[in-house]
Amino acid sequence: EAQVTQNPRYLITVTGKKLTVTCSQNMNHEYMSWYRQDPGLGLRQIYYSMNVEVTDKGDVPEGYKVSRKEKRNFPLILESPSPNQTSLYFCASSLARPTDTQYFGPGTRLTVL
Amino acid sequence: GQQLNQSPQSMFIQEGEDVSMNCTSSSIFNTWLWYKQDPGEGPVLLIALYKAGELTSNGRLTAQFGITRKDSFLNISASIPSDVGIYFCAGEGGTGTASKLTFGTGTRLQVTL
Repeated sequence: EAQVTQNPRYLITVTGKKLTVTCSQNMNHEYMSWYRQDPGLGLRQIYYSMNVEVTDKGDVPEGYKVSRKEKRNFPLILESPSPNQTSLYFCASSLARPTDTQYFGPGTRLTVL
Repeated sequence: GQQLNQSPQSMFIQEGEDVSMNCTSSSIFNTWLWYKQDPGEGPVLLIALYKAGELTSNGRLTAQFGITRKDSFLNISASIPSDVGIYFCAGEGGTGTASKLTFGTGTRLQVTL
């Protein structure tokens, strides 16, 4: 089954404790992206990747890192999480461009205390 | 970053009514997309628009790419209960942002029987 998986689905952590949210897709997609969703703000793009070893900043990259060592995986790293990073995070992938049909993961709800 | 203003923020309508929502930007976009998010899920692509003036339908949904390339409209005809959800517009390809996707703040649709 074609899908985008994210782990964990829910996470409660404390300020400053490094964490990684994993994202994996099994569709051989080139384009992958991370978004955060906050009430009243919609979805905002954090980082995106056009292909392996090619990543670029979205609209809200501060406090986040990503890597794309393999085509299928696109982890989101929070080196020193802060409470303002409490949010719902979505990973997505598409064939080659963001305007191709993007398939979204189920979301990761992160709470930083 | 660029901003997309989406209106209305929320709508309460009766089953069978038609719905209209729109999205405006201060910048030009090359592609407009409309997504729907069901509760607890990631967004799903409904319609993609690739050139100014384009009018595209997908079942009861019709979307248009504004002539100025700064706006887009989505209409839903004869709404049904499963239309409930949050509708997002998204623009791609604004100035200096060839592969970024900017989402609107969303329109929450509630349908009463």
